[in-house]
Amino acid sequence: NAGVMQNPRHLVRRRGQEARLRCSPMKGHSHVYWYRQLPEEGLKFMVYLQKENIIDESGMPKERFSAEFPKEGPSILRIQQVVRGDSAAYFCASSPMDRGDGNTIYFGEGSWLTVV
Amino acid sequence: AQSVTQPDIHITVSEGASLELRCNYSYGATPYLFWYVQSPGQGLQLLLKYFSGDTLVQGIKGFEAEFKRSQSSFNLRKPSVHWSDAAEYFCAVGGGSQGNLIFGKGTKLSVKP
Repeated sequence: NAGVMQNPRHLVRRRGQEARLRCSPMKGHSHVYWYRQLPEEGLKFMVYLQKENIIDESGMPKERFSAEFPKEGPSILRIQQVVRGDSAAYFCASSPMDRGDGNTIYFGEGSWLTVV
Repeated sequence: AQSVTQPDIHITVSEGASLELRCNYSYGATPYLFWYVQSPGQGLQLLLKYFSGDTLVQGIKGFEAEFKRSQSSFNLRKPSVHWSDAAEYFCAVGGGSQGNLIFGKGTKLSVKP
């Protein structure tokens, strides 16, 4: 059973460009979460999505950031007009619908964004 | 406010020595508690979790953690550390109906031979 798959693993963007990060949840999981990890910091929640729905986006910056989880295909975290401060590791996580094991979420390997 | 505190930023232990990493939380409801480990440049691996029942939980790689409600703590322990345990450890708290977890800032573990 494949884990949470993220790509690209490493992404370099110039200031002002767009960054798109993709996440395929574990098989059978319909809940997706995005977290950001800044250097020397723990993970900070950004957004929680189910298929075609944003459930909680309380951690998303108000501008330039958006996320989607379409009916078909991976979840996408999109950052427009990137700035140096967006350089971070972005982690996707997923959990099953039935929450049979509580709120356990499983993380992907992360996407490291560097803005130059 | 909901929060997780890991008081130790960096800990160094000798290989074979015992280990305890501290975690304190502040959470309004019944907490679900987790410990994750992260190696450099890697994602997070779940070590163990507590939902209810026995307050001493066993995890992978020989780790265990004890939930103490009176102290709002969930400390991680290992009786004998191996060099491969060197990594960063994150404590996290969440609720059953909440989609997101709140993480501590992590404790970096170094193991000396």
